[in-house]
Amino acid sequence: GAVVSQHPSWVICKSGTSVKIECRSLDFQATTMFWYRQFPKQSLMLMATSNEGSKATYEQGVEKDKFLINHASLTLSTLTVTSAHPEDSSFYICSAPLRAGGPNEQFFGPGTRLTVL
Amino acid sequence: AQTVTQSQPEMSVQEAETVTLSCTYDTSESDYYLFWYKQPPSRQMILVIRQEAYKQQNATENRFSVNFQKAAKSFSLKISDSQLGDAAMYFCAYRSGLYNQGGKLIFGQGTELSVKP
Repeated sequence: GAVVSQHPSWVICKSGTSVKIECRSLDFQATTMFWYRQFPKQSLMLMATSNEGSKATYEQGVEKDKFLINHASLTLSTLTVTSAHPEDSSFYICSAPLRAGGPNEQFFGPGTRLTVL
Repeated sequence: AQTVTQSQPEMSVQEAETVTLSCTYDTSESDYYLFWYKQPPSRQMILVIRQEAYKQQNATENRFSVNFQKAAKSFSLKISDSQLGDAAMYFCAYRSGLYNQGGKLIFGQGTELSVKP
């Protein structure tokens, strides 16, 4: 199957700093990528849809100025958590469908654990 | 808006036995897809099985099968001959068939499955 990578896998930062998380589709092009947030023992909550070459679409309640998404190429989307605070500590997962539309499987990255001190 | 509900936070099964995980969903759409994902302790999301809403036949993948009841909006997962490696969090997910929805997944709350040796 197709591979999606994330970097870093684990990051610890101080409160007030910004953190960038990368999501890459390694062997296919992804015009769309999704960013999810997952708290321990909870479900995946969609944060935003990342669209190559255009602005991301954010879900209701997600602060777009805090969670900056850039999808500059067909294989890379980045999520920047700006001025991170302890409540932003979570597990962030990206995914990308192989093709738009249809029952296409979405391929998930391994996730990034963010801890804000 | 579409919703997905998993009413069993935890389930337990004896090795080699069969277990069924429940999922219900709500939608007004006629074209959609349903999925079961497995999330082991590594937290890597793994697709278990998918079902197209327009197909009446229940999907089957080796030891995994679904009972898709479209009228009742029910989509349960049956795991036969349970193995220790099946222990994980299982998520039911919905995806709209509308192209303008972008292919985002809506997840249920998850069911944590433990397998007893």
